[in-house]
Amino acid sequence: QKEVEQNSGPLSVPEGAIASLNCTYSDRGSQSFFWYRQYSGKSPELIMFIYSNGDKEDGRFTAQLNKASQYVSLLIRDSQPSDSATYLCAVKRGTGTASKLTFGTGTRLQVTL
Amino acid sequence: EPEVTQTPSHQVTQMGQEVILRCVPISNHLYFYWYRQILGQKVEFLVSFYNNEISEKSEIFDDQFSVERPDGSNFTLKIRSTKLEDSAMYFCASSDPGRTEAFFGQGTRLTVV
Repeated sequence: QKEVEQNSGPLSVPEGAIASLNCTYSDRGSQSFFWYRQYSGKSPELIMFIYSNGDKEDGRFTAQLNKASQYVSLLIRDSQPSDSATYLCAVKRGTGTASKLTFGTGTRLQVTL
Repeated sequence: EPEVTQTPSHQVTQMGQEVILRCVPISNHLYFYWYRQILGQKVEFLVSFYNNEISEKSEIFDDQFSVERPDGSNFTLKIRSTKLEDSAMYFCASSDPGRTEAFFGQGTRLTVV
């Protein structure tokens, strides 16, 4: 069983629509959950993180966490062509510690005009 | 905005040679990490470093690899006797002990020929 699973995509959404990206994880000891955006050939760029069940909003982005279902999602509202990238879900056992990030393979998002 | 910087951006080396990848973490961060991403694959944890010692390392981080903080600003990854399969993007990251998120440098693309 993969530690962090994501649909590789591509997920294609029209400009202005909501993109919904999903992630499941296997380690019930995971405490922090991250979404990174990665453009081709570039480094992961932190979008947001969440560690409590429920929703967390930051601008056009909303992260959702359900620890009972071991499920994390990212919603991108009013999707723009510049949002086209690979979105990486990552989990971490600790908070504020040197614990490693465990990444999924990423979901490629394409925002079409 | 503070950022993690890595040098060089691209390194080409012959198989069997040693390489040193350099990183300058964000100045007030105390946790440092190396990750790698083989082309088309997920980001993988190599090692974390805190208080001048390794906190955690992955199975990938064997005797071929070593890390060092030679002074107050640099954090290096040494790869001895490079192999073709070491070709990858290597990312340095750092985090503040009071916060959970880690920030990545722009990466060093290592090509072993």
